[in-house]
Amino acid sequence: EVQLLESGGGLVQPGGSLRLSCAASGFTFRSYAMSWVRQAPGKGLEWVSGIRGSGGSTYYADSVKGRFSISRDNSKSTLDLQMNSLRAEDTAVYYCAKDRLGFLVSFDYWGQGTLVTVSS
Amino acid sequence: QSALTQPASVSGSPGQSITISCTGTNSDVGGYNYVSWYRQHPGKAPKLMIYEVSNRPSGVSNRFSGSKSDNTASLTISGLQAEDEADYYCSSHTSSSTLVFGGGTKLTVL
Repeated sequence: EVQLLESGGGLVQPGGSLRLSCAASGFTFRSYAMSWVRQAPGKGLEWVSGIRGSGGSTYYADSVKGRFSISRDNSKSTLDLQMNSLRAEDTAVYYCAKDRLGFLVSFDYWGQGTLVTVSS
Repeated sequence: QSALTQPASVSGSPGQSITISCTGTNSDVGGYNYVSWYRQHPGKAPKLMIYEVSNRPSGVSNRFSGSKSDNTASLTISGLQAEDEADYYCSSHTSSSTLVFGGGTKLTVL
């Protein structure tokens, strides 16, 4: 059974940093691209960042480019998102999601999400 | 990258069919057969309902179907059921090697 379990969310002040993690199990982690998708309270889904299975290529939404960094450890089946220079508009539930096949095509499994709140 | 355009809300009675549209550009919806549809119930993670325009993942009811014409994709749900009431999102791969979601559509089953 595929499982994705996010952790690391919490309350952080504007300008601060936070690191999210996603522990994956139930599939060959290194064979699949992964992404982070967020959802602000009462709003729609927004793709944040994606990384290929090898970890060699990373991509970001314009809204987080230069502030967020995605990485993965295929030996531990974990996906991370380092978030710096956080802003109030980064407040959201952050989901990790597994690509069904290919890269940024469709997400067949999602975690339960972790809430990040940026506020003073 | 601008969000894909979806109607804010649609509604239908049990047993009826509804269609949700998703309009993009030549750089996303029109340029790739990589449109997906997700259903999200309140407080839950999204669930993949359609991938690559018209394919259903294993376990998804055949009441759900997808199509695409030029820059507009569509999700049709036939035989509406109470459990279909949820938010629906489309997404597409883009020419910038990113992914863009639609703004979401709230489906109300009357």
